[in-house]
Amino acid sequence: DTEVTQTPKHLVMGMTNKKSLKCEQHMGHRAMYWYKQKAKKPPELMFVYSYEKLSINESVPSRFSPECPNSSLLNLHLHALQPEDSALYLCASSQTDGYNEQFFGPGTRLTVL
Amino acid sequence: QKEVEQNSGPLSVPEGAIASLNCTYSDRGSQSFFWYRQYSGKSPELIMSIYSNGDKEDGRFTAQLNKASQYVSLLIRDSQPSDSATYLCAVNTGNGGSNYKLTFGKGTLLTVNP
Repeated sequence: DTEVTQTPKHLVMGMTNKKSLKCEQHMGHRAMYWYKQKAKKPPELMFVYSYEKLSINESVPSRFSPECPNSSLLNLHLHALQPEDSALYLCASSQTDGYNEQFFGPGTRLTVL
Repeated sequence: QKEVEQNSGPLSVPEGAIASLNCTYSDRGSQSFFWYRQYSGKSPELIMSIYSNGDKEDGRFTAQLNKASQYVSLLIRDSQPSDSATYLCAVNTGNGGSNYKLTFGKGTLLTVNP
């Protein structure tokens, strides 16, 4: 089973709202990732967690706050977003953070009004 | 700056033909190479991974890797309209054994015409 799940599928929020995106995998993977993808562009890496510790932050603005409560779960907390943050947010996981295959979830389509 | 370049596309082939997608990468230290298929509005789906020089076949898909030329390709035989999608080449790079990340090419849009 190579399934990564994400909730919600769609999210519309105002610039003053606080919301969270959730990601879950039950493959025993120890690396999890957040990506942002704009239309007609490739995914852009935001954060990497390895063994529940943040290992890479690609200089993402602080209005995005990741959290890894345990090895199966990954959250992305959103606060005071801008309209240009509207995008498809993708979670992925891999066995470890080495040269392994990454499997993507279905994504959350975020619209910031 | 580690870069991954793909055919600019779009690529259009008739049903039943072979579609050839190409990718070059700049980091000689890259160790793993992936092809993802992405349908419009959906997330990327891993279709092939390749780690060593040569060919790797999986059904109608063949990935080819040449590390000396820093080149990886994907061949799709007997193309079907359902293969119409954007194909993303991704290369996994790391800095001295850490900070592994996938670097994606911009993608090639493939259209298979019935």
